[in-house]
Amino acid sequence: NAGVTQTPKFQVLKTGQSMTLQCAQDMNHNSMYWYRQDPGMGLRLIYYSASEGTTDKGEVPNGYNVSRLNKREFSLRLESAAPSQTSVYFCATPRGRGYGYTFGSGTRLTVV
Amino acid sequence: EDQVTQSPEALRLQEGESSSLNCSYTVSGLRGLFWYRQDPGKGPEFLFTLYSAGEEKEKERLKATLTKKESFLHITAPKPEDSATYLCAVNYGGSQGNLIFGKGTKLSVKP
Repeated sequence: NAGVTQTPKFQVLKTGQSMTLQCAQDMNHNSMYWYRQDPGMGLRLIYYSASEGTTDKGEVPNGYNVSRLNKREFSLRLESAAPSQTSVYFCATPRGRGYGYTFGSGTRLTVV
Repeated sequence: EDQVTQSPEALRLQEGESSSLNCSYTVSGLRGLFWYRQDPGKGPEFLFTLYSAGEEKEKERLKATLTKKESFLHITAPKPEDSATYLCAVNYGGSQGNLIFGKGTKLSVKP
């Protein structure tokens, strides 16, 4: 999706491995969000960042860490992956008041 | 507890058969209700924002309406290309405008 780029698109990890999901936006907005999407569960907020240098926990933060590297980039790290973290991860940033969020195309992560 | 519930979970329509999707919410201090479309393998795509009861928004064959407790997404004379999962989300005014998402309605339109 235009404005939010996520890498990688697909990843398979073994239990206990670590990885970082990358997100970059060119919408010039202060806020950025990480969601996970699981079948039958909807989108759930993992972490968010209101501005460069600040991060806060969302609904399901356990097992994750984040870094707001600068205004454009917000990364999500799994230190020791578990099968329960198999999911599709989306990064998002607001488009402006009244226009909702712009989402990236997602990272499909499988932990075996 | 703040909640967003979408119904039905899945909906199959014939091309041209109009219908409605429902999104009910129980949040205090609604600061906006959003509708998104999500195609398989892609991120959600913004459709509409509604702020107050009685408000309506339209885009092609889609029309979104809002009451004090629910929103409807009306689909008029749908086409196969309208097949997708439709997500509803509410901004309840929590920290930094976070959204609560419903689980979505998967719409299939057969020719």
